[in-house]
Amino acid sequence: DIVMTQSPATLSVSPGERATLSCRASQYISRNLAWYQQKPGQAPRLLIYDASTRATGIPARFSGSGSGTEFTLTISSLQSEDFAVYYCQQSDNWPLTFGGGTKVEIK
Amino acid sequence: QVQLQESGPGLVKPSETLSLTCAVSGYSISSGFYWGWIRQPPGKGLEWIGTMYHSGSTYYNPSLKSRLIISVDTSKNHFSLKMTSVTAADTAVYYCARDSSSVHEYWGQGTLVTVSS
Repeated sequence: DIVMTQSPATLSVSPGERATLSCRASQYISRNLAWYQQKPGQAPRLLIYDASTRATGIPARFSGSGSGTEFTLTISSLQSEDFAVYYCQQSDNWPLTFGGGTKVEIK
Repeated sequence: QVQLQESGPGLVKPSETLSLTCAVSGYSISSGFYWGWIRQPPGKGLEWIGTMYHSGSTYYNPSLKSRLIISVDTSKNHFSLKMTSVTAADTAVYYCARDSSSVHEYWGQGTLVTVSS
């Protein structure tokens, strides 16, 4: 199985600042990487797929980059509604696997 | 607008079978796409359970495969999950989703299943 490792586990950021989240795959996955946002009590929401393509309706302040084994999700200017847990997921190979998540909290 | 809604018992006894259904609206399952199940134990991360194509071919998480059946009923436009021999470790919020290229595009709201006697 491909192991997905996210860092940091918790990120403390002030509103308006930039947040940078990392995701590493244990083996090469090309650009087959998705990012999801999950708020308390809600289902995850797809943000990014194919490493850098924003899903429908996702604001431009969310951007994804990377390929191979190293990936980054950047939130350019954090809004109050962006404080949540973010998960990466590899879509390259069965079984599909998720990272452990990064919680973005208010500093 | 594609919408998914999970339903099923919220409490299952240990060693029994967990059965959930995902009703799909706004899209006909028989038209295509993959349909999946994901779960999340309380306070923990996400775990992929399995995915099926509308025609019936399935992909299961090897760690759960021996206990799983995912099936589709196109006449009712819903798909189902059965997990046998459940234990407390299977307590989780269970989500259904529409998948595209192994990415979970649309999610149901989730349903909490507790395994307890």
